[in-house]
Amino acid sequence: SQQGEEDPQALSIQEGENATMNCSYKTSINNLQWYRQNSGRGLVHLILIRSNEREKHSGRLRVTLDTSKKSSSLLITASRAADTASYFCATDAAGGGADGLTFGKGTHLIIQP
Amino acid sequence: KAGVTQTPRYLIKTRGQQVTLSCSPISGHRSVSWYQQTPGQGLQFLFEYFSETQRNKGNFPGRFSGRQFSNSRSEMNVSTLELGDSALYLCASSLGGTSGYTFGSGTRLTVV
Repeated sequence: SQQGEEDPQALSIQEGENATMNCSYKTSINNLQWYRQNSGRGLVHLILIRSNEREKHSGRLRVTLDTSKKSSSLLITASRAADTASYFCATDAAGGGADGLTFGKGTHLIIQP
Repeated sequence: KAGVTQTPRYLIKTRGQQVTLSCSPISGHRSVSWYQQTPGQGLQFLFEYFSETQRNKGNFPGRFSGRQFSNSRSEMNVSTLELGDSALYLCASSLGGTSGYTFGSGTRLTVV
């Protein structure tokens, strides 16, 4: 079952602009992770934020987590054509369980040169 | 260091056949997970292995099975293939804890 839901489903911006993607989830989590996927290939791990963290940075990426609203956002600053990809949030549910990582359906990001 | 290696990259099978997919994790990673990705259902968790033991299993029928060997390499098997099993099958390895997962490039299975 899908726990994470990304918003928007698709986003097209000009190179150099910032891109913001949002993710909502339903249950308590240990951590939330963001992944990138290019053209149906494997997923690339971008960043992991623990449930007791509120914000995390990695290069041009900034992730926020609001556990009270069960939501997260991924900001990509100064976008580049190479950032064109699908972005997925994935939650690692608290308390273990049988679901592994639960992924949303993703945001397809297109960077126009 | 080498990444997660999945073989084969592409596979075409006929309904009713069975298939075995292979995954070699990053050296030192003892956790291996499998996911199915389809346009309709997205990414869905199949199962996770750690030290040769299945630790978690997703909501898939018993036709989907897997195993992990002592060198952490993993295989998944799908028996009595159905058209709906056509998908990208992704393997991921992890050190465990909160280190995130490293995914392979996947095996694209087409059932005809």
